[in-house]
Amino acid sequence: AQSVTQLDSQVPVFEEAPVELRCNYSSSVSVYLFWYVQYPNQGLQLLLKYLSGSTLVKGINGFEAEFNKSQTSFHLRKPSVHISDTAEYFCAVTSYGGSQGNLIFGKGTKLSVKP
Amino acid sequence: DVKVTQSSRYLVKRTGEKVFLECVQDMDHENMFWYRQDPGLGLRLIYFSYDVKMKEKGDIPEGYSVSREKKERFSLILESASTNQTSMYLCASSRRQVYEKLFFGSGTQLSVL
Repeated sequence: AQSVTQLDSQVPVFEEAPVELRCNYSSSVSVYLFWYVQYPNQGLQLLLKYLSGSTLVKGINGFEAEFNKSQTSFHLRKPSVHISDTAEYFCAVTSYGGSQGNLIFGKGTKLSVKP
Repeated sequence: DVKVTQSSRYLVKRTGEKVFLECVQDMDHENMFWYRQDPGLGLRLIYFSYDVKMKEKGDIPEGYSVSREKKERFSLILESASTNQTSMYLCASSRRQVYEKLFFGSGTQLSVL
């Protein structure tokens, strides 16, 4: 069985500071990993995903994430955040050969960017 | 622009009522999903459908049923609403492959009084 843990439920940060949102997963097989973002009063949208290949994945809005197989982590980073990045971020995992019915979401991290 | 449309943004119902939540996608996607989102619990899958008239239970199907008579439409049904079903409901759709991204609707905030 798979699981995903987002280690921080809330992350406050000042504008233009760097940020890292942490995600760890557990799986006995190879996985696909995703980060989704939910802006206030909206549905989720995909930020980036890791399927295979390069472990550093670049997404929209200047975000990137690094897949670390030995640490079973997929942390999301941005070198300089903006007020508009205030949102809730969800890490998700599913396994090779599985179905999207097996996509597991973390409980979310609320990023609050302060001026 | 691709779209997943949920019929209501806010809905208020009474305990015991039968409730229908409707979702329509315009992307010809094979897969459609219903999730429930609660603070601190993230997203939990209620049901998903991988084809017309096909469905599979997710993690929390109790108290819910679904209908997919046409490819573009996926309905969530609460047979007899209860207060513990007060929640944000999110519909999503995707192409068939497991690595494809999900497209989400804006959600329906359901309050059961």
